[in-house]
Amino acid sequence: QSALTQPASVSGSPGQSITISCTGTSSDVGGYNYVSWYQQHPGKAPKLMIYDVSKRPSGVSNRFSGSKSGNTASLTISGLQAEDEADYYCCSYAGSSTLGGVFGTGTKVTVL
Amino acid sequence: QLQLQESGPGLVKPSETLSLTCTVSGGSISSSSYYWGWIRQPPGKGLEWIGSIYYSGSTYYNPSLKSRVTISVDTSKNQFSLKLSSVTAADTAVYYCARDGSGSIIWDVWGKGTTVTVSS
Repeated sequence: QSALTQPASVSGSPGQSITISCTGTSSDVGGYNYVSWYQQHPGKAPKLMIYDVSKRPSGVSNRFSGSKSGNTASLTISGLQAEDEADYYCCSYAGSSTLGGVFGTGTKVTVL
Repeated sequence: QLQLQESGPGLVKPSETLSLTCTVSGGSISSSSYYWGWIRQPPGKGLEWIGSIYYSGSTYYNPSLKSRVTISVDTSKNQFSLKLSSVTAADTAVYYCARDGSGSIIWDVWGKGTTVTVSS
């Protein structure tokens, strides 16, 4: 199972909106509504930001939203803030043989 | 508040077996609906799921690592463990233990991670 494809980097100015894509296949992203997104600051453990494509865990800002179209999932960060600068990873269910999911290649978000 | 903590050697020799334990506190590892797993991150690279276990002992492994991985659970100690055999330098990584809510890849609680270096 190959890693899901994400852009290496995305940048934006404070207050702007950015979108990170996560492209897979019909065997993972396109086949299930089980896509999650994680934020990782340097030297820290990942943090769950979105699950089941578009649901937000309690405590996560509503500036973060998720969606999916076909084989591509997306994470949008609106009202970009300096604290949003981090690495972001998507993860998709890909069948029972990969119960823990297939992760994306990761995207570095830079706040200009 | 549920917390996970990894423990184990930080240095392992090539061809030997990497062994790590994750201790769960603030909650029971025997709670239904949750899976417990290991995820690793090589230096400067992305995340890779290694495997998961249910409290009953059912295990699920990444096909690319399946031949070398064993995950077990000790409900009496509220711990689960990872063994990765025949390690090489490519297994050098930060190893995280985490909880997956419902087995639909909702990794909602993570340990802080532990660095394992494979070197002679």
